[in-house]
Amino acid sequence: DQQVKQNSPSLSVQEGRISILNCDYTNSMFDYFLWYKKYPAEGPTFLISISSIKDKNEDGRFTVFLNKSAKHLSLHIVPSQPGDSAVYFCAASRINDYKLSFGAGTTVTVRA
Amino acid sequence: EAEVAQSPRYKITEKSQAVAFWCDPISGHATLYWYRQILGQGPELLVQFQDESVVDDSQLPKDRFSAERLKGVDSTLKIQPAELGDSAMYLCASSLRTVNSPLHFGNGTRLTVT
Repeated sequence: DQQVKQNSPSLSVQEGRISILNCDYTNSMFDYFLWYKKYPAEGPTFLISISSIKDKNEDGRFTVFLNKSAKHLSLHIVPSQPGDSAVYFCAASRINDYKLSFGAGTTVTVRA
Repeated sequence: EAEVAQSPRYKITEKSQAVAFWCDPISGHATLYWYRQILGQGPELLVQFQDESVVDDSQLPKDRFSAERLKGVDSTLKIQPAELGDSAMYLCASSLRTVNSPLHFGNGTRLTVT
């Protein structure tokens, strides 16, 4: 039962342009959402999060948008840099529940 | 920056053998998780500890998998006997006891069962 879905397995973007990663969820009880970044042979690294009381959270080049009515969130990376080439996982949890449900990931490749 | 330590980084074992993974969380992190990531999929929770107690092991195949965190610090995940389908990355993560505290992952153990 895949409660968090990342329907785009890969994304290629030119350096300096915007990367937009999408994520959909099915469980309406989810109220906290995170993005993780993973390089090969390393564990996922926390990138940015958003709670359901907000619709936008920004941290430097990274912005996460949440649309609760559509059960959809997105991660924007502006401008994209070569070091952003990695796998990005969307994750979600319910209030007072530490358990995270992850999407399958999107592989981002930033071209020079 | 403090890290979650895992060993070994890589493990190759034959099916039906026993294998064990070790994790040392970030100091002060009361919550510890073991996740399994199959190639092309996201991490899936196997077991969650709060201090030395198991909070959630509903997805742990208990006929062959076991996990312990005896003193509420480091943890061991064991598989016996290993099966071909167990080949995956095993990730340990830890977090503070507070709600919505991000998980910090180790670099994982890549298990190959032949």
